[in-house]
Amino acid sequence: SQTIHQWPATLVQPVGSPLSLECTVEGTSNPNLYWYRQAAGRGLQLLFYSVGIGQISSEVPQNLSASRPQDRQFILSSKKLLLSDSGFYLCAWSVDSGANVLTFGAGSRLTVL
Amino acid sequence: AQSVTQLGSHVSVSEGALVLLRCNYSSSVPPYLFWYVQYPNQGLQLLLKYTTGATLVKGINGFEAEFKKSETSFHLTKPSAHMSDAAEYFCAVGRQAGTALIFGKGTTLSVSS
Repeated sequence: SQTIHQWPATLVQPVGSPLSLECTVEGTSNPNLYWYRQAAGRGLQLLFYSVGIGQISSEVPQNLSASRPQDRQFILSSKKLLLSDSGFYLCAWSVDSGANVLTFGAGSRLTVL
Repeated sequence: AQSVTQLGSHVSVSEGALVLLRCNYSSSVPPYLFWYVQYPNQGLQLLLKYTTGATLVKGINGFEAEFKKSETSFHLTKPSAHMSDAAEYFCAVGRQAGTALIFGKGTTLSVSS
């Protein structure tokens, strides 16, 4: 069966520090991968999605970036965090056929102080 | 372009009462529609989905939703609320595999005894 892992689960970082959140999927090949951010009262905001290694689509211009160095690995990064980057970050995957059902990881809660 | 509007950021019901969470969508193509549930500090879990065919869709935990094209709606209902239904619920629209889902801002359901 397929599983998705995100880490770290919780992170507290100072303003201006770097960020790396990692997501890996097991049990499937060539998944579509997504990063969403959830901030209070704002629902889920799509940040990045990827349909293959090295293929990244950015939905919101900001100081975050994403990379997909391996088929089942998706990394969210920042060189310098802002206070506004605080939130709950969710990774998700889907298969490239049929209805686009997303399966989500448990999330990573980032607090920027 | 696709979008989702969830009417009411917070809905409160008594245990045993009908649950009705409203979702309206906008889509230039026939949509795929989804409801997800999120418990505190967890990822999202798929409740149900509509792709094609029968417009009344049954999901997990006794929830169901009806796709009404003429009203561009996909409201979520449950005949009798349980305390365990207290969570945040997200409606989402999508179409093609390999593209991301667009989520509404969410509705928090509270259930009182």
